[in-house]
Amino acid sequence: EPEVTQTPSHQVTQMGQEVILRCVPISNHLYFYWYRQILGQKVEFLVSFYNNEISEKSEIFDDQFSVERPDGSNFTLKIRSTKLEDSAMYFCASMGVLSYTFGSGTRLTVV
Amino acid sequence: SQQGEEDPQALSIQEGENATMNCSYKTSINNLQWYRQNSGRGLVHLILIRSNEREKHSGRLRVTLDTSKKSSSLLITASRAADTASYFCATDAGRDSNYQLIWGAGTKLIIKP
Repeated sequence: EPEVTQTPSHQVTQMGQEVILRCVPISNHLYFYWYRQILGQKVEFLVSFYNNEISEKSEIFDDQFSVERPDGSNFTLKIRSTKLEDSAMYFCASMGVLSYTFGSGTRLTVV
Repeated sequence: SQQGEEDPQALSIQEGENATMNCSYKTSINNLQWYRQNSGRGLVHLILIRSNEREKHSGRLRVTLDTSKKSSSLLITASRAADTASYFCATDAGRDSNYQLIWGAGTKLIIKP
């Protein structure tokens, strides 16, 4: 069964550093997403990406965040200058025909 | 309740009993989905129910949807210790919202052996 792959599974970074979270969505899916889940809280939508551009973004997705699909297979989330409150589990997802598939997540810890 | 919002927040039952979790939401939806998450792990898709469906089954899972009440329930029958996890409902409003999922805060289910 096709999978969404996320790397790394864990990342520890110093406050103020840039991080790039990587995802390989399912190849024939059209919509791509990033969600995050702060420990013990609900999952929150960050951004959706369709037709090679951002289609929607939440209030959380401020200028510190950016997404790219550089080569038609990878889908990356960049946080330019991490803050302590960016510590969370970040999930990538892709959607085909009414079928959402999530990656196993990247646990980001900002120290 | 959240959009969606689950209740109860936590549920502890004996193995073999049935577990029922509820979800309410506020706005019109296209689909409603249920996911399971083991502690600190990934999100596992359980079942999707469309807004024009009222009930759906998958193995030991039964989901109902009442769009007039803006609510859904997830029933797990004959629970097992391995069902211990958090369960989330998530709704989308369709293409206009790019199928963005809005999540509930989850029900933490503990199955006692």
